[in-house]
Amino acid sequence: QVQLQESGPGLVKPSDTLSLTCTVSGGSISNYYWTWIRQPPGKGLLLVAHIYYDGSSYYNPSLKSRVTISVDTSKNQISLRLNSVTAADTAVYYCARFARVEVASNSYYYMDVWGKGTTVTVSS
Amino acid sequence: DIVMNQSPLSLPVTPGEPASISCRSSQSLLHIYGYICLDWYLQKPGQSPQILIYLGSNRASGVPDRFSGSGSGTDFTLKISRVEAEDVGVYYCMQSLQSPRTFGQGTKLEIK
Repeated sequence: QVQLQESGPGLVKPSDTLSLTCTVSGGSISNYYWTWIRQPPGKGLLLVAHIYYDGSSYYNPSLKSRVTISVDTSKNQISLRLNSVTAADTAVYYCARFARVEVASNSYYYMDVWGKGTTVTVSS
Repeated sequence: DIVMNQSPLSLPVTPGEPASISCRSSQSLLHIYGYICLDWYLQKPGQSPQILIYLGSNRASGVPDRFSGSGSGTDFTLKISRVEAEDVGVYYCMQSLQSPRTFGQGTKLEIK
């Protein structure tokens, strides 16, 4: 059974860079898309970025200038870096896997496995 | 971005009674290949979200059959035929037609 475990610093100072890691256990990173989603306190969900195991990536335009997502297949890890953080970046950050189903000769993806999330607070 | 709007935002329900959550999108979620690009997720208290429904009406593995999804175009509904105590949490719809995928605001279901 695939499990995802997010890890990160917990507390980051304004203007610093936030670095998070998602470690995949019980399965391989290969042949899947992976995503980071964040949830500010008491608010809804925002997809930050996603990446295929081969490294091809997508960034939410609202964060694109500050975000980098990467994958390390040798370590079975997905990483996220967010530059120039502010209080608005305070959130629980979740890592999730996209499952793929075939429909109408096409591929459809939905998030079938999620990590428990890691809380990041931006404060001096 | 496609805007997703859910209603109600709060839903108190008596156990054993049905419940219904509405989700409306700012544009049609019908893919050119003829399928609906909408998922439903449930975030139970203190937990991460979990998939309930994908492709508008397909229950994910392990999801009880009291949950059902329906709808077309821009109007979608999640129905719970008989609410149980374990169904409490926040329900989110999410569109996957266009990037970035976007979520509704969430509907908090609570037990009366």
